[in-house]
Amino acid sequence: EAQVTQNPRYLITVTGKKLTVTCSQNMNHEYMSWYRQDPGLGLRQIYYSMNVEVTDKGDVPEGYKVSRKEKRNFPLILESPSPNQTSLYFCASSLFRQRAYEQYFGPGTRLTVT
Amino acid sequence: GENVEQHPSTLSVQEGDSAVIKCTYSDSASNYFPWYKQELGKGPQLIIDIRSNVGEKKDQRIAVTLNKTAKHFSLHITETQPEDSAVYFCAASRIDSSASKIIFGSGTRLSIRP
Repeated sequence: EAQVTQNPRYLITVTGKKLTVTCSQNMNHEYMSWYRQDPGLGLRQIYYSMNVEVTDKGDVPEGYKVSRKEKRNFPLILESPSPNQTSLYFCASSLFRQRAYEQYFGPGTRLTVT
Repeated sequence: GENVEQHPSTLSVQEGDSAVIKCTYSDSASNYFPWYKQELGKGPQLIIDIRSNVGEKKDQRIAVTLNKTAKHFSLHITETQPEDSAVYFCAASRIDSSASKIIFGSGTRLSIRP
């Protein structure tokens, strides 16, 4: 089954404690991205990757890091989480960047930073 | 900067009635307008789309309309059913462009009253 998986689905952590949210897709997609969803703001792109070892900032990259060492995985790293990073996070993938509108979204990770 | 405005933020309709969600975009170069449905606990899923060379598109009970001159596009759901309850996002994009980027609206929470 074609899918994007994220782990964990729920995470409560404290300010400053490094965390990683994993994302994996099984569709051999080149393009992957991370979004955060906040009430009244819709989906905002954090980082994206057009292929292995190619990553770039989206609209709200501050406080986040990513890596793309393998085509299928695109982890999101919060080196020193802060309460304003409390949000719902989605990983997504599509065949190419130009087909980003056909992105498959993961189920989401709800992160709370206290 | 580029943005997409979406209204209303919440919408409650009686089962069987119609629902309309409206969006306005700012980037006149946008030529592709997807709509996503996000069910509880899941990621957004593409449900219908429209390109700038088309004024209307239908798929069973859902339809989208586009007014390029006014930079407006809308989602129409007829004969609403309980399973239509979800959050809906509009988006604007430049299809097949190396610089393509999706800008999402802020979302509409649609509730269908039995």
